[in-house]
Amino acid sequence: NAGVTQTPKFQVLKTGQSMTLQCAQDMNHEYMSWYRQDPGMGLRLIHYSVGAGITDQGEVPNGYNVSRSTTEDFPLRLLSAAPSQTSVYFCASSFGGGGYTFGSGTRLTVV
Amino acid sequence: GIQVEQSPPDLILQEGANSTLRCNFSDSVNNLQWFHQNPWGQLINLFYIPSGTKQNGRLSATTVATERYSLLYISSSQTTDSGVYFCADHEWSGGSNYKLTFGKGTLLTVNP
Repeated sequence: NAGVTQTPKFQVLKTGQSMTLQCAQDMNHEYMSWYRQDPGMGLRLIHYSVGAGITDQGEVPNGYNVSRSTTEDFPLRLLSAAPSQTSVYFCASSFGGGGYTFGSGTRLTVV
Repeated sequence: GIQVEQSPPDLILQEGANSTLRCNFSDSVNNLQWFHQNPWGQLINLFYIPSGTKQNGRLSATTVATERYSLLYISSSQTTDSGVYFCADHEWSGGSNYKLTFGKGTLLTVNP
């Protein structure tokens, strides 16, 4: 039982590049979400999904896309990286809003 | 949305000491949870505790929903307990208001 698996753990991008952060869970959780954590700003919700085929925006969705084709996978796409997207990104899943499980995080630097 | 306040913001302990962390919320909660973020950044769910009391080893948590607070007790603290402790509530009221709302955390340092 791996829980929530995020890849990569570290990434450096140049401004304007695109990339996909991968997230997979093996707990059959309906709810998955992406957060970014910045000093002084806490954890902020980027996008979330309540099930396969359903996604919605969180607090800070600009510059990011998501899709949910399966229950297990919830990738986050950076369309055109900007220095303001330098952050630590966390994927999380839960069943019905209780007992969240977080991935180990991706530390992204945009130069 | 709900407001979550945590206290104290910082806490320094000697190994072996006990501590109590508090979380106050502005409205009723349905999915109150406690997390530990270790010095390596990993977020671990300690308790899902919308009400009542739970214990897991040296840690226990109590939520009094009617009085809008939750407490996390750490007994016989160890250096590995160091990190930031967050409480959070998963709230949903339709539309985009569907997320974990976090407090600002308590930074705990346990010295040997």
